[in-house]
Amino acid sequence: QSALTQPASVSGSPGQSITISCTGTSSDVGTYNLVSWYQQHPGRAPKLMIYEGSKRPSGVSNRFSGSKSGNTASLTISGLQAEDEADYYCCSYAGSHIFYVFGTGTKVTVL
Amino acid sequence: EVQLVESGGGLVEPGGSLRLSCAASGFSFSSVWMSWVRQAPGKGLEWVGRIRSRSDGGTTDYAAPVKGTITISRDDSKNTLYLQMDSLKTEDTAVYYCARFNTKDAFDIWGQGTVVTVSS
Repeated sequence: QSALTQPASVSGSPGQSITISCTGTSSDVGTYNLVSWYQQHPGRAPKLMIYEGSKRPSGVSNRFSGSKSGNTASLTISGLQAEDEADYYCCSYAGSHIFYVFGTGTKVTVL
Repeated sequence: EVQLVESGGGLVEPGGSLRLSCAASGFSFSSVWMSWVRQAPGKGLEWVGRIRSRSDGGTTDYAAPVKGTITISRDDSKNTLYLQMDSLKTEDTAVYYCARFNTKDAFDIWGQGTVVTVSS
């Protein structure tokens, strides 16, 4: 099972909005509404930002939003801030043999 | 405070074994499913496996690349999760994270990670 495909890097200026894509297949993202997104700062553990495609855990800023269309899930960060600079990973359930597959990861740079 | 703390990482030779531990606090450990996720140096996240709560059978699922070489277990009396790794290869070198697996198929609490280095 290959990793989900994400762009290697995305950048934006403070206050702008950026979108990170996460492309899978009909065996994972396309079938299950179980995509989650994680933020990871250098040397730190990942942090859950979005679950079930578009839901935010308590405490996560509403500047983060998720969506899905077909085999591609997306994470949008609006009102970009310096603290948003980090690596972001998507993850999807992929059925009862593969179970969970992560994305390749995207480095977000705030210009 | 909800917390997960991993331990047990270190340097091991190829073919060796290692057991990682993950101590949980601040929540009802026995009622949750738990997972291990690893991250090779400079690489992305990789799901390793999970264990269900005892009330859900306590069974395990493993990722194909590690199936047969790892065993996940739990001791609810000690609020501790374990990862037994055998026949280790250099490609198993990674930071190993334990994570709480919530009912929404997401990993909502993560430990700080423990480093495993497989090298001769």
